[in-house]
Amino acid sequence: NAGVMQNPRHLVRRRGQEARLRCSPVKGHSHVYWYRQLPEEGLKFMVYLQKENIIDESGMPKERFSAEFPKEGPSILRIQQVVRGDSAAYFCASRAGAGTDTQYFGPGTRLTVL
Amino acid sequence: GENVEQHPSTLSVQEGDSAVIKCTYSDSASNYFPWYKQELGKRPQLIIDIRSNVGEKKDQRIAVTLNKTAKHFSLHITETQPEDSAVYFCAASIPPRNTGKLIFGQGTTLQVKP
Repeated sequence: NAGVMQNPRHLVRRRGQEARLRCSPVKGHSHVYWYRQLPEEGLKFMVYLQKENIIDESGMPKERFSAEFPKEGPSILRIQQVVRGDSAAYFCASRAGAGTDTQYFGPGTRLTVL
Repeated sequence: GENVEQHPSTLSVQEGDSAVIKCTYSDSASNYFPWYKQELGKRPQLIIDIRSNVGEKKDQRIAVTLNKTAKHFSLHITETQPEDSAVYFCAASIPPRNTGKLIFGQGTTLQVKP
């Protein structure tokens, strides 16, 4: 659980700027999920990635949002031209792989758009 | 689409009493049901989970029950303590061979009064 790392923990952007959120999964985990939590709401699924592949992006807004999980390095969630409504906590979670269900969450990145 | 309903939204109990949180899910293919505890400003932490081939699971003061026919599951906390105060989320997941993404309930804010 403590192995999922996210940075930065807090990110402030002005409207129109880009936000780049990073997630390093638990060592050995090859499955990464991104969830968004609006203030005082539950977590909403955004995207599911395996190494170098987007498996399910059904929860991602069609525009401005993109995600990747390269062969080397962390998973990146990128939000272009941020708007105030993008302000939220963004959590990533990792899962070991085939035959496992448990997802371990990172500490989250709290994005504030001014 | 998949949906998880959680009740109640807030729950206040006296220390030592029991607390019960209930969830219903819509997708009959769901086969994994975790419960997460989230303290203010922190990451969601897995406290217990249950798979669809099991009707009940217990871990010390925490238990979860699952009724597949009715598509509902419940979290039971006995002998509540002030440190149990937090927001609790239920979730349902379809098999990992599809995506394994978690669909979360709206959350229950539990307050345990000393």
